[in-house]
Amino acid sequence: EIQLLESGGGLLQPGGSLRLSCATSGFTFNNFAMSWVRQTPGKGLEWVSLIIGSGGGTYYADSVKGRFTISRDNSKNTLYLQMNSLRAEDTAVYYCAKGKGMLLENYCFNVWGQGTLVTVSS
Amino acid sequence: QSVLTQPPSVSGAPGQRVTISCTGSTSNIGAGHDVHWYQQLPGTAPKLLIYGNINRPSGVPDRFSGSKSGTSASLAITGLQAEDEADYYCQSYDSSLSGYVFGTGTKVSVL
Repeated sequence: EIQLLESGGGLLQPGGSLRLSCATSGFTFNNFAMSWVRQTPGKGLEWVSLIIGSGGGTYYADSVKGRFTISRDNSKNTLYLQMNSLRAEDTAVYYCAKGKGMLLENYCFNVWGQGTLVTVSS
Repeated sequence: QSVLTQPPSVSGAPGQRVTISCTGSTSNIGAGHDVHWYQQLPGTAPKLLIYGNINRPSGVPDRFSGSKSGTSASLAITGLQAEDEADYYCQSYDSSLSGYVFGTGTKVSVL
C-alpha cells in the first residue's frame, strides 16, 4: 500500500521559515514526480510545486517562486518543502502528492497524504 | 484565483444524475491538456476520481464518468448516492502559467 505522511507544520510569525517533510512508502520513490498542493481552510486547492523523480527538475507556482524550495532525498524516500519569508496568505493545509502521467503537462496526482497545517500569524 | 471555473454547488435526489462543469481557456483545457477530477470527502484529503479526461482509477465506481470538449470538461455522477456528498475539483495544466491549475470546486449535495 502506498503511503505518504507529511510532517513539520505549525504556527509561526510572518517572515519566518519552516520545512515540511513527506515520508513515503509502498512504491519506487525515485521513479515518480512528487508535488506539494495546499488548501486554504474552507477554500480550494492550489498547486505549489513539483519535482521530477531524479530531482533534476523543479517547478513552482508564481505565488511561492523565490520563497519556497522543493527537494527530495531518494535514499530516504522523502520529499521536502523549505518555506521562507512566509506570509499570512501561505496559511493552509499542505498536502504532498504523488505524480502520475507520461507528460509533465498531463500529470495528475494519484495519491495524497493526509496534510499538515501551516499557520502564519502574528 | 482559479483559472478553471466550476459551479459552487449542485444537488440531486438519490438515484438521479448530476453533472459538474469545468470551464477553462485556450491555455489549459483548450490547449489539449488532460483534465483530471478529484473527490474530497469532509475532513479528508482529495482522492483521484478521473484521470486523463475519461479514465477511472481502480476502485472508482463506473457511476463516475468524465468528458472533455473544447475549453471545458464535465464530470457526471449517475445513480447518485448519499456517500457521494463531497467537494469535487477539476485539474489541468496551464501553459501560460507554466503550472498546474485546479478548479474552484463544487459541493455536491444529495437531497
